[in-house]
Amino acid sequence: KNQVEQSPQSLIILEGKNCTLQCNYTVSPFSNLRWYKQDTGRGPVSLTIMTFSENTKSNGRYTATLDADTKQSSLHITASQLSDSASYICVVETLNAGNNRKLIWGLGTSLAVNP
Amino acid sequence: NAGVTQTPKFQVLKTGQSMTLQCAQDMNHEYMSWYRQDPGMGLRLIHYSVGAGITDQGEVPNGYNVSRSTTEDFPLRLLSAAPSQTSVYFCASGSHTQYFGPGTRLTVL
Repeated sequence: KNQVEQSPQSLIILEGKNCTLQCNYTVSPFSNLRWYKQDTGRGPVSLTIMTFSENTKSNGRYTATLDADTKQSSLHITASQLSDSASYICVVETLNAGNNRKLIWGLGTSLAVNP
Repeated sequence: NAGVTQTPKFQVLKTGQSMTLQCAQDMNHEYMSWYRQDPGMGLRLIHYSVGAGITDQGEVPNGYNVSRSTTEDFPLRLLSAAPSQTSVYFCASGSHTQYFGPGTRLTVL
C-alpha cells in the first residue's frame, strides 16, 4: 500500500535552533518527493521538489534530503524563526494504474517555534 | 498577479443545500485541482482538470461536480450538501509546482 509517514507528529523548538523532520515512504513507482509548508488557516506552499536522482535540495534555510534506496527524506530547518511555525507536509508523487500522476500526502509535522 | 483565489472563505450550509465554491488562477496553468483537508487525514483529491473542457475524478469525487469552461476558472459544486462534506477545501493550480489557494472552510449542519 502506498503510504507516506512523517515524524515526529509535533515538535517544539526555541527560536534560533535547528531541527530535522523525517519522512518515510512506501510508494512505488516513485516520481518525485515534495515538501510543503502550511501555515495555520492557509493553503500549502511548495518548499522543494526532488526527483530520484537528487539527494539534496535547498530553499533558503530549508534543506531537503532524499535517500531513494531507503525511501527516506528529511527536511532540515536552520536557525529557526517564529515564522517557521507551521505544518510541514511530505508528499510523494507516483503513477496510478492508468499511468496518471497521483500524489500521496503525509499527515504533516506540526512545528512550533517559541521565542 | 493574484495567483490562486478562492471564494468564499467561510460558508455554513444546511443539509441538502447546494453551493458552488469558486476558484480562479491567473498563471495560465492547464492543470487545476480540488482537494479537501480533514483532521487526521492527508489532503485528498476530489477532481482535477488538465485543461479547458477536460475534467476527471480524483479519490473522493462523490457528491461533487466540476466544470472547466475557461483556463482561469475551476468551480466546485456541491450538489446536495451532507455533514460528511464539512471540511476545508483547497483549489490548486499547476502540475509540477502546485500553487494553492487560501481555502474555503465549509460547515454543513
